[in-house]
Amino acid sequence: GAGVSQSPSNKVTEKGKDVELRCDPISGHTALYWYRQSLGQGLEFLIYFQGNSAPDKSGLPSDRFSAERTGGSVSTLTIQRTQQEDSAVYLCASSAGQGVHTIYFGEGSWLTVV
Amino acid sequence: AQSVTQLDSQVPVFEEAPVELRCNYSSSVSVYLFWYVQYPNQGLQLLLKYLSGSTLVKGINGFEAEFNKSQTSFHLRKPSVHISDTAEYFCAVSGPAGYQKVTFGIGTKLQVIP
Repeated sequence: GAGVSQSPSNKVTEKGKDVELRCDPISGHTALYWYRQSLGQGLEFLIYFQGNSAPDKSGLPSDRFSAERTGGSVSTLTIQRTQQEDSAVYLCASSAGQGVHTIYFGEGSWLTVV
Repeated sequence: AQSVTQLDSQVPVFEEAPVELRCNYSSSVSVYLFWYVQYPNQGLQLLLKYLSGSTLVKGINGFEAEFNKSQTSFHLRKPSVHISDTAEYFCAVSGPAGYQKVTFGIGTKLQVIP
C-alpha cells in the first residue's frame, strides 16, 4: 500500500484481556519495527524483523508481549493479560531493508486498558 | 549498545527566533543519525538524516543538523522558527551497517510562541 497501515486505530480493553494489533507495512519493505509511545517516555523499541532473520525481541517488556510476522509482510503484536501500564500508542514502522535507513511510521494504535 | 539523550524535554521559543534542539548519542560503532518530527495528532516523519559525508545535513522545512563525532552530538537547528514548527522532535540512532535497530530519544517538544 501507499503507507504503513495499522489497525485498530483505537482500542479500549478491560484489564486481563488479550489484544492483537495489526501492522501492514509498505509493500516490498523487508524490515518491520514495533515501538511503544507513552507520555513522557518517548519511543520505546519493542521488536524488529528483518527479512527471514530471527527477530530482535530485546525490547519486549515482558513475556505477555509477543509478535509475529507472517509471510514477510503483515505483523501482529499480541499483548496477553493486559495491564493498565500497557496503555500507550503502539507504532509500527517499516523500511526497505539493509542499507536503507529511512523508516516510515504508521499512524499508530492507541491502546487504553481500563 | 547504543543510546540517545535529548537534554531538553520542552523548548519554548518566540516566532522568528532561532532554535537549537540538543541530541547526544553513545555507541561503540559507527552510527547513522536521524531527526524525526511528530506534528500534533499526526504520525512521525523523517526530518533529516546523517549517513556519511558532509557533517552538516539539511532537511525539510529549513531545519539542519550537524554531526559532531568528537562530541557525539547531532544537534538540530533552525535560524527562524514559525508557528507551524510546533511539534515534538525525536533524535534517533541506528547502526552498524546491516543491522538497523533504530533507537529513539525521549523527544523534545518545541513550542513556538507568537
